[in-house]
Amino acid sequence: DTGVSQDPRHKITKRGQNVTFRCDPISEHNRLYWYRQTLGQGPEFLTYFQNEAQLEKSRLLSDRFSAERPKGSFSTLEIQRTEQGDSAMYLCASSSTQGRTPETQYFGPGTRLLVL
Amino acid sequence: DQQVKQNSPSLSVQEGRISILNCDYTNSMFDYFLWYKKYPAEGPTFLISISSIKDKNEDGRFTVFLNKSAKHLSLHIVPSQPGDSAVYFCAASVGAQKLVFGQGTRLTINP
Repeated sequence: DTGVSQDPRHKITKRGQNVTFRCDPISEHNRLYWYRQTLGQGPEFLTYFQNEAQLEKSRLLSDRFSAERPKGSFSTLEIQRTEQGDSAMYLCASSSTQGRTPETQYFGPGTRLLVL
Repeated sequence: DQQVKQNSPSLSVQEGRISILNCDYTNSMFDYFLWYKKYPAEGPTFLISISSIKDKNEDGRFTVFLNKSAKHLSLHIVPSQPGDSAVYFCAASVGAQKLVFGQGTRLTINP
């Protein structure tokens, strides 16, 4: 059983550019979450999907951010017109509503974004 | 509005002794609590969890205690080992949805 994978692991971009991150959840996990973590803080919730439906978005997710999970499997998170304040670790997690502990989320290794 | 707080940014413990990490929360609707361990440049790794209907859960060297009246939970690691050195996050959720995390506590185990 492979874990959650994220690609790329690191991304350096210039301010104003668009970036896209991918997350592949644990197979058969129907929920997928995106979080953002900055230095010295805990992860902060951005958005989550159940299958292909986006069920909740945080107010942290400005209109420059968009997330998709088109077929209920992998997900992408796109940031348009990046700003230096977007520099952070972007974490993906998945869970199963059918499992014994649906509350438990399993995290990927993260994508570290640096905006210059 | 910090709903989950870890008031100790760091903790240093001798190898073999007990490590106790603390977490406080304000939202009485939280019904599930989790502890994660994080190494640098990696994602959080799930350690142990507890439902709000319980007051203790044990898994090997790790025990989590929940005091609902005080809105407080703690993670006990005994005996502490050098490989336990990491940042520990507590997290809470309502209805198996998004996790709300504390700021983390950096645990250092000294030989």
